[in-house]
Amino acid sequence: NAGVTQTPKFQVLKTGQSMTLQCAQDMNHNSMYWYRQDPGMGLRLIYYSASEGTTDKGEVPNGYNVSRLNKREFSLRLESAAPSQTSVYFCASSAWADGNSPLHFGNGTRLTVT
Amino acid sequence: GQQVMQIPQYQHVQEGEDFTTYCNSSTTLSNIQWYKQRPGGHPVFLIQLVKSGEVKKQKRLTFQFGEAKKNSSLHITATQTTDVGTYFCAGGGNAGNMLTFGGGTRLMVKP
Repeated sequence: NAGVTQTPKFQVLKTGQSMTLQCAQDMNHNSMYWYRQDPGMGLRLIYYSASEGTTDKGEVPNGYNVSRLNKREFSLRLESAAPSQTSVYFCASSAWADGNSPLHFGNGTRLTVT
Repeated sequence: GQQVMQIPQYQHVQEGEDFTTYCNSSTTLSNIQWYKQRPGGHPVFLIQLVKSGEVKKQKRLTFQFGEAKKNSSLHITATQTTDVGTYFCAGGGNAGNMLTFGGGTRLMVKP
């Protein structure tokens, strides 16, 4: 029972390159999320998917796109990476996006954009 | 929109001292959740409080939810080096809104 699995764990990109962060959960959760965390900072919501087939913007969506591929998988794409996107990215899932269900986080992807 | 403020931002304590972090919401919450993130790790769910005035304990950790359901605290008795990390509160709104995270309190423990 892996919980929430993110790949890759580390990535270095050059400005302008693109990449996709992958996330999968095996808890049969309906809702999935992408957060970013800058050094010494809190968690900021990028995008979320309340249920399969839906996606919504969070607090800081600019420069990102997401795809809810199926109930298990939720990917985050950077089309043209910028140094400001250097951060740690966490995927999370919960039973429902109702503000009551606890979140389960993946181990994170540490992204550096040079 | 709903805002959740957490204080202090940082706290250095000597091992064995107590530690408290406070969480305050601008609106009434349906529940409050607490998470711990070890250095280099990911946030891990600790506990959820739902009822007004609720108090829950996990070993040396005591969690409280205020009577008005707008504030919460986490108190650690006799800190240990294993308590090091950042503690986040997260509040759920009454309209079924998403969880809103506080900024976190980073706890550092000197052995």
